[in-house]
Amino acid sequence: NAGVTQTPKFRVLKTGQSMTLLCAQDMNHEYMYWYRQDPGMGLRLIHYSVGEGTTAKGEVPDGYNVSRLKKQNFLLGLESAAPSQTSVYFCASSYSDRVVAYTFGSGTRLTVV
Amino acid sequence: AQRVTQPEKLLSVFKGAPVELKCNYSYSGSPELFWYVQYSRQRLQLLLRHISRESIKGFTADLNKGETSFHLKKPFAQEEDSAMYYCALSRMDSNYQLIWGAGTKLIIKP
Repeated sequence: NAGVTQTPKFRVLKTGQSMTLLCAQDMNHEYMYWYRQDPGMGLRLIHYSVGEGTTAKGEVPDGYNVSRLKKQNFLLGLESAAPSQTSVYFCASSYSDRVVAYTFGSGTRLTVV
Repeated sequence: AQRVTQPEKLLSVFKGAPVELKCNYSYSGSPELFWYVQYSRQRLQLLLRHISRESIKGFTADLNKGETSFHLKKPFAQEEDSAMYYCALSRMDSNYQLIWGAGTKLIIKP
């Protein structure tokens, strides 16, 4: 049982490049989330999904797009990477919006130069 | 505005000493508070929730609505408690999204 798997674990991008981060969960969770974590700050929600085919903006959505075509996958896209998007990205999932006990992925460390 | 504050970035105590990790929150409604922990090279995971009123790994946390605090306590620290600890608040009015504190790095010295 893998839980939540994030790929890749590390990536270095040049400014203006694009990339997609993949989050996959095998727990049949309805809710999935993308967070970013910056030094000295708490996790901030980028986008989230309450079910297959749905997405919604979180606290810091600008510069990111997401898709949830399959229930088990939640993709985070950067169309034109900027140095300000250098961060550690965490994906999480939960089986309910009410019982907020997230299962987290191991994180993706992204550096934009 | 809703906010979670963890005033200490780093807390260092000796093994066997009591530990208190502070968490203060600002929220106009009825909050649900959590403590998450991230051990070295491991994933972020839930430690405890205030509504469960449980003790996990010797840690307890009491919600004090008067002081708007949810401090995490353990009477006798162990070296394996060294980790990053995050306090989080659930927003009951917005799809139950979590608001996170910046975290406290706890180091237990032998």
